[in-house]
Parts: sequence; structure tokens; C-alpha cells
Amino acid sequence: EPEVTQTPSHQVTQMGQEVILRCVPISNHLYFYWYRQILGQKVEFLVSFYNNEISEKSEIFDDQFSVERPDGSNFTLKIRSTKLEDSAMYFCASSEDRGSYEQYFGPGTRLTVT
Amino acid sequence: GDSVTQMEGPVTLSEEAFLTINCTYTATGYPSLFWYVQYPGEGLQLLLKATKADDKGSNKGFEATYRKETTSFHLEKGSVQVSDSAVYFCALRRERDTDKLIFGTGTRLQVFP
Repeated sequence: EPEVTQTPSHQVTQMGQEVILRCVPISNHLYFYWYRQILGQKVEFLVSFYNNEISEKSEIFDDQFSVERPDGSNFTLKIRSTKLEDSAMYFCASSEDRGSYEQYFGPGTRLTVT
Repeated sequence: GDSVTQMEGPVTLSEEAFLTINCTYTATGYPSLFWYVQYPGEGLQLLLKATKADDKGSNKGFEATYRKETTSFHLEKGSVQVSDSAVYFCALRRERDTDKLIFGTGTRLQVFP
């Protein structure tokens, strides 16, 4: 069964460094998402992406964050200058279409900022 | 704003016990409601969903009924198995203009033989 994959599974970085989290969505899916979960808190929506554009973003997704689909298979989340409060589990998801179509999630990348 | 509240975990049960995980929501209009499950080392998987009031979603022996009057979507299973041990997330999506899912904090279920 097709699945969403994410790399790395765990990333440790120092405050102020740039990180890129990578996701490979399911191949025929057109809509892509990033969510995050700070330890002990809710899973929060960050951004949705379609047709090489951001279609929706949350207040969390400020200028420090960017997303890209560089090569037609990967979908990346970049954090330019990490802060301690960026430490979280980051989930990528993809769906075939919007609306009632299921969002398929990857296993997550745990980001630890020291 | 829209939000989801679910019971704190962990929930610890013996095999074959009855499971209830409570979920309530706050939203305008008629959101769609979901339960996702996360097994260790895996991503969130859709377990079941309901898109309108009084709908019952069901899958793998789990059920949840969309109760508009109590703004609830409690997850139930009549007889849990050790393999049901996982984290369960309740979520909603507004009925239009957005695809974002709004999640609760998740409830860890531990089932012992």
C-alpha cells in the first residue's frame, strides 16, 4: 500500500540553524500538508500546498518557515533559524484531492532544537 | 475558534474490556469529524469519520456517532485487543473553505493481556 515517508526520523539542531525536513507524498496525490505536535500539546496545522503554491497557512507559519516541492516527488519544510520552541514532531500529509478526501500522514520527524 | 477536546490518557484496559474515549468539539456550522490512530513508529491513520449529525462512523470494531446536540464524537469499542494499543486523535474539519484538520491532544490506549 502506498505510504507517505519522511526523513529524517529524528533531527537534532542548534538554535539559529536552518533545518530542512523532507517528505515523499503518495505519488498521485496533489495536495500536501505539514502539521506539528509540540510534546504534550495538540497536533497543529501549519500549511497546505497545491499546484506549487501555498493554499492556506496558520499563524504559526511565519517568515521563518517555507515549503517547496523541488523535484515533483519531495515536499520539504524549511525552518530558516530554529528556535527552542520549534522543537516538535512534524508530520507531513498528502491527499488525492481536497474536501472529503482522506489525508494520509507520514510517521513524523522529531525535531529537537538545543 | 474551532477546537477539539479529548480525554487525557493514558487509558489502561485489560483485553476484551469496553473502551470509550471522549471527544467534544467547538465549531460553527457542521464540521466533519474524524478519529485517527497512531501505532508506534507509524503515521496517523484515519480510523473512521462522520460528515453530518447522527452519522455513525465505524471501522475495525470501533464506532463513533456524531452528536450535534452534545457536540461530541466519542470513540467506542466493545472488546479491545492488545493490538489496539496506540494513540487515538479526534479531529474536525470545517465544512467548507479549508482542508486543515483541527486535532485534539491525543489519548494513549494501553491494552494488557
